[in-house]
Amino acid sequence: GAGVSQTPSNKVTEKGKYVELRCDPISGHTALYWYRQSLGQGPEFLIYFQGTGAADDSGLPNDRFFAVRPEGSVSTLKIQRTERGDSAVYLCASSPGLALTDTQYFGPGTRLTVL
Amino acid sequence: AQSVAQPEDQVNVAEGNPLTVKCTYSVSGNPYLFWYVQYPNRGLQFLLKYITGDNLVKGSYGFEAEFNKSQTSFHLKKPSALVSDSALYFCAVRDAFGRTGANNLFFGTGTRLTVIP
Repeated sequence: GAGVSQTPSNKVTEKGKYVELRCDPISGHTALYWYRQSLGQGPEFLIYFQGTGAADDSGLPNDRFFAVRPEGSVSTLKIQRTERGDSAVYLCASSPGLALTDTQYFGPGTRLTVL
Repeated sequence: AQSVAQPEDQVNVAEGNPLTVKCTYSVSGNPYLFWYVQYPNRGLQFLLKYITGDNLVKGSYGFEAEFNKSQTSFHLKKPSALVSDSALYFCAVRDAFGRTGANNLFFGTGTRLTVIP
């Protein structure tokens, strides 16, 4: 079946602009995660959802970052007033549920470049 | 607190030779351990996981990993490397008794494997 998809694959924006990154999880997966991967680093957790609600947003770096999942499927990560330090690959993952044993399946990522 | 260490940034191995990619972890409770592989311009692909039971876990593409509780390690292995195995490998951990509600994976910094023809 289809895996996790993310759009756009690449996004170039100017400092101070607003961006939205979209994630479409595997059908039927109730849990959805956002991670950020900077160059030369492993992915770092941002936020995760169970259904429509954000179960844990402790990884969001500041209030410029916000994510929604209004219908419990597609999620959008929103970044306001982008800064050059926000440049990274943003990864989305989904899993069947929130069991600690559940495997997270990742999308291809969105590469964000802030000029 | 959770942490994962991948002590080698780069591992080179000749095609056909066995390979090992090292990972050590630190958690406050029982660990759930995962290995992912990342090819250029692609997301992370799941290889295998350790939850409980047999310390030797078999996964995709002929990879396996050995959980060693006393050494807090979870090294990734393959008996015979292929050129197509060249990629970036990430070890990750979840803490079964960590912070309440903590469900995210905590990743190492990655090890770049190069298999030389």
